[in-house]
Amino acid sequence: GAGVSQTPSNKVTEKGKYVELRCDPISGHTALYWYRQSLGQGPEFLIYFQGTGAADDSGLPNDRFFAVRPEGSVSTLKIQRTERGDSAVYLCASSLDAGNTIYFGEGSWLTVV
Amino acid sequence: ILNVEQSPQSLHVQEGDSTNFTCSFPSSNFYALHWYRWETAKSPEALFVMTLNGDEKKKGRISATLNTKEGYSYLYIKGSQPEDSATYLCAFIAPPSNTGKLIFGQGTTLQVKP
Repeated sequence: GAGVSQTPSNKVTEKGKYVELRCDPISGHTALYWYRQSLGQGPEFLIYFQGTGAADDSGLPNDRFFAVRPEGSVSTLKIQRTERGDSAVYLCASSLDAGNTIYFGEGSWLTVV
Repeated sequence: ILNVEQSPQSLHVQEGDSTNFTCSFPSSNFYALHWYRWETAKSPEALFVMTLNGDEKKKGRISATLNTKEGYSYLYIKGSQPEDSATYLCAFIAPPSNTGKLIFGQGTTLQVKP
């Protein structure tokens, strides 16, 4: 596609449930990033992939959060045992390579009730 | 801890007013500063990538300056229009710079009234 595509655009889930958020980066982009924006704050870094490998996962808040990118293209962010504090906009971004212009998707708005 | 601060947090102006906001970032180990515009229900759009001290960049009515020695950048909007209403984010490239990892400020939300 022309831009970074994220699905679902909106997700409401119950506390304790499992959630998957998908990101389809711009074709050919090797670098992929996940960020999370909570109300009133700027986006916070979660994880960075270079190709298939997670080159930096220092921003994942705890072991309930996990992300994969098995074929170096589409990535899935997985959240187990969701908590109300996980409610946020989850943004995915990609770039041709680390250090190039970074393009964002529209985000997945997650609400945990 | 790397911290990026933006001010003001929000701004309401009339159509035609010019406005500016500030981004403060660590002045040591500087690599690049990004400005983004984020409109509701859209993806954040890259405005500028600034790398050199004294850089000035312009895109239409929007311009930005960079001072890496004192650790700040200004974004200016000349003759604000309602379509400029958005959240403006600045982001600092965190070391090591080869990851492209961004540290964002909390944003300045601009509302332009017709």
